[in-house]
Amino acid sequence: RKEVEQDPGPFNVPEGATVAFNCTYSNSASQSFFWYRQDCRKEPKLLMSVYSSGNEDGRFTAQLNRASQYISLLIRDSKLSDSATYLCVVNGGEGNQAGTALIFGKGTTLSVSS
Amino acid sequence: ETGVTQTPRHLVMGMTNKKSLKCEQHLGHNAMYWYKQSAKKPLELMFVYNFKEQTENNSVPSRFSPECPNSSHLFLHLHTLQPEDSALYLCASSHLVGSSYNEQFFGPGTRLTVL
Repeated sequence: RKEVEQDPGPFNVPEGATVAFNCTYSNSASQSFFWYRQDCRKEPKLLMSVYSSGNEDGRFTAQLNRASQYISLLIRDSKLSDSATYLCVVNGGEGNQAGTALIFGKGTTLSVSS
Repeated sequence: ETGVTQTPRHLVMGMTNKKSLKCEQHLGHNAMYWYKQSAKKPLELMFVYNFKEQTENNSVPSRFSPECPNSSHLFLHLHTLQPEDSALYLCASSHLVGSSYNEQFFGPGTRLTVL
């Protein structure tokens, strides 16, 4: 089965720090990429999609390197409320074959302390 | 109601019971999913439905039986479960455009305990 690999962490950082998460995926045919956030005992929620040119949403920046099959998430000026598990998610698409859903990584845990 | 809803939110059942989990999406999506998330483990995809048709069954034991009567509703029927089936069961929905699945939106989950 196609895989998505993440460093599980935990990443323990002080408020205000910049932290980066990396993710690698094995399926070169993947077409869609996302970062999700999951709080303890809650459902995953979409944080941001990842576009080929890279994209930014406030303090969050996502980048994609198709050649290396690598995705990153950068969080600047960390807040206590950023503490969560961050899931790297990749479309498992195989060309035009329908029926292949998203593949979730195991997640990277972030703990921001004051 | 908006988004993806799931009922019940919590369920405790014995190994001989039969119960059903319900999911409803109000987003106009055409694909729905069941996931299992056990403690300290990643999400495990169980079933995928596109336009009410099941397109993926990830080697899930037959004691889990999905049903998708229409593109807005998804059920997971449970019978003769084992204690190791205790987990958070998450429903999600998304658009399927061509062969690409767009981002998924999750329901709050049903926390299941099997005694």
